[in-house]
Amino acid sequence: EVQLVETGGGLVQPGGSLGLSCAASGFTVSAYDMSWVRQAPGKGLEWVSVIYAGATTNYRDSVKGRFIISRDHSKNTLFLQMNSVRAEDTAVYYCARASRGCMGSGGCLGLWGQGTQVSVSS
Amino acid sequence: EIQMTQSPSSLSASVGDSVTFTCRASQSIGIYLNWYQQKPGKAPNLLIYIASHLQSGVPSRFSGSGSGTDFTLTINNLQPEDFATYYCQQTYTIPWTFGQGTKVQIK
Repeated sequence: EVQLVETGGGLVQPGGSLGLSCAASGFTVSAYDMSWVRQAPGKGLEWVSVIYAGATTNYRDSVKGRFIISRDHSKNTLFLQMNSVRAEDTAVYYCARASRGCMGSGGCLGLWGQGTQVSVSS
Repeated sequence: EIQMTQSPSSLSASVGDSVTFTCRASQSIGIYLNWYQQKPGKAPNLLIYIASHLQSGVPSRFSGSGSGTDFTLTINNLQPEDFATYYCQQTYTIPWTFGQGTKVQIK
């Protein structure tokens, strides 16, 4: 079965660090553009970061320099290392896979995980 | 950052109705526009990509159109499972941005 399963969420203090994982099955993570998208409580969707199949990465400005997206081919897993977290990082974090045929943008997110909750509070 | 504005924020409709809602970009994005459906407590589901392409497995009562700055999503013959929140997303340029959502409620 083709699926994504996120783990690693939890409660973290402001300024702390947390690592999220997204295990893939049924396909190879490194062959696709993979993103993290978050959703604050009661709010809309916010794209966070992407790692392209070619390994180039991009981030939204508010997490640049604090978050790191990466992948491990042998584990077939996507990661998001969150450092220097802030209260405004509190959200459900989803990993998502781009669909083919997206005219090269990598952002047509056709497969999503179930999400993992990150709460930043003292 | 490109701003995406959806309207209306919410609407009420009945089973069998046809509904259309819009998404406007703050600058031209060509056809780099996707639509997602999200139900409470669930991950989003891609419905339409590149403005008008129906994602595999999505019912044909969903359709999208538009280019440049103005886009629409239409649902014909609204079904009970269609009551949800719908988001547009531009993928023309990083950061990819979403609209604030349109919530479709049962009348």
